[in-house]
Amino acid sequence: SQQGEEDPQALSIQEGENATMNCSYKTSINNLQWYRQNSGRGLVHLILIRSNEREKHSGRLRVTLDTSKKSSSLLITASRAADTASYFCAPLNRDDKIIFGKGTRLHILP
Amino acid sequence: DTAVSQTPKYLVTQMGNDKSIKCEQNLGHDTMYWYKQDSKKFLKIMFSYNNKELIINETVPNRFSPKSPDKAHLNLHINSLELGDSAVYFCASSQGARGGGYTFGSGTRLTVV
Repeated sequence: SQQGEEDPQALSIQEGENATMNCSYKTSINNLQWYRQNSGRGLVHLILIRSNEREKHSGRLRVTLDTSKKSSSLLITASRAADTASYFCAPLNRDDKIIFGKGTRLHILP
Repeated sequence: DTAVSQTPKYLVTQMGNDKSIKCEQNLGHDTMYWYKQDSKKFLKIMFSYNNKELIINETVPNRFSPKSPDKAHLNLHINSLELGDSAVYFCASSQGARGGGYTFGSGTRLTVV
């Protein structure tokens, strides 16, 4: 199992703007997942992108994956106050267990 | 219906006590996990378990032991609690062989005094 590294560590943007956070990893993967954790709550699975996919959408979320650069990005469009949370990426191979990094703390300003 | 439920939500106990946290999932997943989130919000995997294999993070003290009466339950038992055990503990489950997403419980905040 490997740990993803999220960047930036913290991000503050105005409500309505787009937020982009990045994830880098070291070895080949089967899929990469993004999770959100609101303060004091459990993690919520947002989206899974497989190694043979380059881009995936889910509502206001857009995830890209570049396996040649071993990196992924999560874009949240038209941000809302409820998007304030920590976001974690999880690069996985089959049978891997998720090892979480420090995440990106996103703060949406009113 | 809650997919992954943990009880209790809050637990305050004295040093030296033994306590258990229960976890149940109704998703039919074959793998369950325990994670610990410390005061710096860093999530660490403690155990993963399916009906074939228990994998223990080597940094976890042996005072912590997972107990699984059946594939829908993975309880966490902690002996001789210490101040440093204070944290939020999260249970999760997944369909391991399919490599899908994890579903997390809402956490148990353990405070050792």
